Amino acid sequence: QVQLVQSGAEVKKPGASVKISCTASGYTFMWFYIHWVRQAPGQGLEWMGVINPPNQSTFFARAFQGRTTLTRDTATSTVHMELSSLTFDDTAVYFCARGPSGAGRGRFEYWGQGTPVTVSS
Amino acid sequence: DVQMTQSPSSLSVSVGDRVTITCQASQDIRQYLNWYQQKPGKAPKLLISDASKLETGVPSRFSGSGSGTHFTFTISNLQAEDIATYYCQKYDSLPAITFGPGTRLDMK
Repeated sequence: QVQLVQSGAEVKKPGASVKISCTASGYTFMWFYIHWVRQAPGQGLEWMGVINPPNQSTFFARAFQGRTTLTRDTATSTVHMELSSLTFDDTAVYFCARGPSGAGRGRFEYWGQGTPVTVSS
Repeated sequence: DVQMTQSPSSLSVSVGDRVTITCQASQDIRQYLNWYQQKPGKAPKLLISDASKLETGVPSRFSGSGSGTHFTFTISNLQAEDIATYYCQKYDSLPAITFGPGTRLDMK
């Protein structure tokens, strides 16, 4: 069965970076886009960006452009999301989700379990 | 950018109720609208895609309709396990993916 397993909780200081992994299994990793969504405490869902594994092309929401990096490791079917210049407002749960197999319309059919990130001095 | 709004933002419900949530897009998004259910501490779960397509395994008491800018999500005969927050999502092309602000259901 399709699974997305994320790395564990992180605590970071303001100004630092955090790198979270999302390891896929149960399907052909290269066939589907992987998205990242975050949820601040008590808040809604916010789309961050997406990577296309075959060519590592990426798209980002405007709020995350410039300080978010997405990379993939084909050997381990893993996508990494690195967010830099952290502020207290980056405290949130970060989810990866599997998108469709193309750049057109789609849906998030499978999700990781979420990785809590706390930014604290 | 296309903005998504949802109403109501919260709703007090009882078992057996018929619940309707609306989602409005600021521009025409055709039928490219999905609905998710999220329970506390859990990842969202996809319920409906393309405005009205029920995902496999999702109970038939959930339904969706609409196209263009106005969409409706309905739970008929609400069950206790349906208490959650529901989000609409516009996903018609990259990078224009947007979630609505959510509708929280709680028991009366």
